Amino acid sequence: GQQVMQIPQYQHVQEGEDFTTYCNSSTTLSNIQWYKQRPGGHPVFLIQLVKSGEVKKQKRLTFQFGEAKKNSSLHITATQTTDVGTYFCAGTGAGSYQLTFGKGTKLSVIP
Amino acid sequence: DAGITQSPRHKVTETGTPVTLRCHQTENHRYMYWYRQDPGHGLRLIHYSYGVKDTDKGEVSDGYSVSRSKTEDFLLTLESATSSQTSVYFCAIAGGVGNQPQHFGDGTRLSIL
Repeated sequence: GQQVMQIPQYQHVQEGEDFTTYCNSSTTLSNIQWYKQRPGGHPVFLIQLVKSGEVKKQKRLTFQFGEAKKNSSLHITATQTTDVGTYFCAGTGAGSYQLTFGKGTKLSVIP
Repeated sequence: DAGITQSPRHKVTETGTPVTLRCHQTENHRYMYWYRQDPGHGLRLIHYSYGVKDTDKGEVSDGYSVSRSKTEDFLLTLESATSSQTSVYFCAIAGGVGNQPQHFGDGTRLSIL
């Protein structure tokens, strides 16, 4: 079945440093979504990418979808303590209603 | 946040007992999902529904059953709970025609002793 791998599993950064998490799928995806889960909370949708090579920005967050639609990345510029949480990518295969989640990257920000 | 409510929020029960978790939505969304979240495993899909009485299995469906008799309610049942089913369970909903963003409930923390 479809597998979505996400690295790194953990990342500790000093406040103000940049952060990147990477997502790779074993199969071509029809779209990829990113979610953020704060400690003790539930996953919250951030963004969806659909097109090959697509790049979207949300303030300090930049999301990319690879040309082959098999990988994606989330980059946060100048991290803040409010960025703390676990970031998940989740992909959907063609014709599927199911999201396959990566295991997430847990971000800690040291003030 | 989307109108989605999970109940109960916390439950402790014993091995071998039946357990039913409820997900209720007020968004009239077509798709509903049950996930479990365990350390080191991320979110794994148990079952999902694409309409009333239309359900299908996910990645980790063994030991679980679901029912959806009306649009707003999606029930997850553990017929005979085991300790390996101790987890945090999330319900999610999505509208549109598929592959749309999912909105999650607050989760149910289930402990099976």
